[in-house]
Amino acid sequence: AQKVTQAQTEISVVEKEDVTLDCVYETRDTTYYLFWYKQPPSGELVFLIRRNSFDEQNEISGRYSWNFQKSTSSFNFTITASQVVDSAVYFCALSRWISNFGNEKLTFGTGTRLTIIP
Amino acid sequence: ETGVTQTPRHLVMGMTNKKSLKCEQHLGHNAMYWYKQSAKKPLELMFVYNFKEQTENNSVPSRFSPECPNSSHLFLHLHTLQPEDSALYLCASSQEQGVDTQYFGPGTRLTVL
Repeated sequence: AQKVTQAQTEISVVEKEDVTLDCVYETRDTTYYLFWYKQPPSGELVFLIRRNSFDEQNEISGRYSWNFQKSTSSFNFTITASQVVDSAVYFCALSRWISNFGNEKLTFGTGTRLTIIP
Repeated sequence: ETGVTQTPRHLVMGMTNKKSLKCEQHLGHNAMYWYKQSAKKPLELMFVYNFKEQTENNSVPSRFSPECPNSSHLFLHLHTLQPEDSALYLCASSQEQGVDTQYFGPGTRLTVL
């Protein structure tokens, strides 16, 4: 069975500080995908990144960066120089990959509520 | 036009009412999903439609009835709901089931009295 754990329920940091959101996953599959979504107060889940299990290169997109480590089954998300607009709930998710059918359904973590204090 | 839209954004209904949630995607995708998001719980997948055919029903009670008339529209018909059904209902779409990233709508905040 698949499982995603986001141990940090809520985090508050002062604007311009860096913050890291943790994500630990469990899967028996060798091929899988990891995702991060942002859910602002408006409710919509905004796709941030998708990473496949064979690509352990870290990714940077502006102030966002992701650290994927298979050895520790972690896919952590760091926001550098945080801004008030970063305040949201962030979800990590995991998807199996099944040949001939592509990915299977997403398994979500319970989310981390991030509050950036002006 | 934003990628995935949902109406209404907020809905309050009694347990004897019948209502419907609507989702529309403008991304040319072929798969659509309904999720339920309750407080303090992970997102729960409810239904999946791939090319208008229902491919997954995640043990959802029959008081929730989905309908997918075409690849762009998805409905969730509600009847005789319970207060514990109060939640945020999110619609998503992807190019095909599971193959591609899912893109979500803003959700419908449902309150059952």
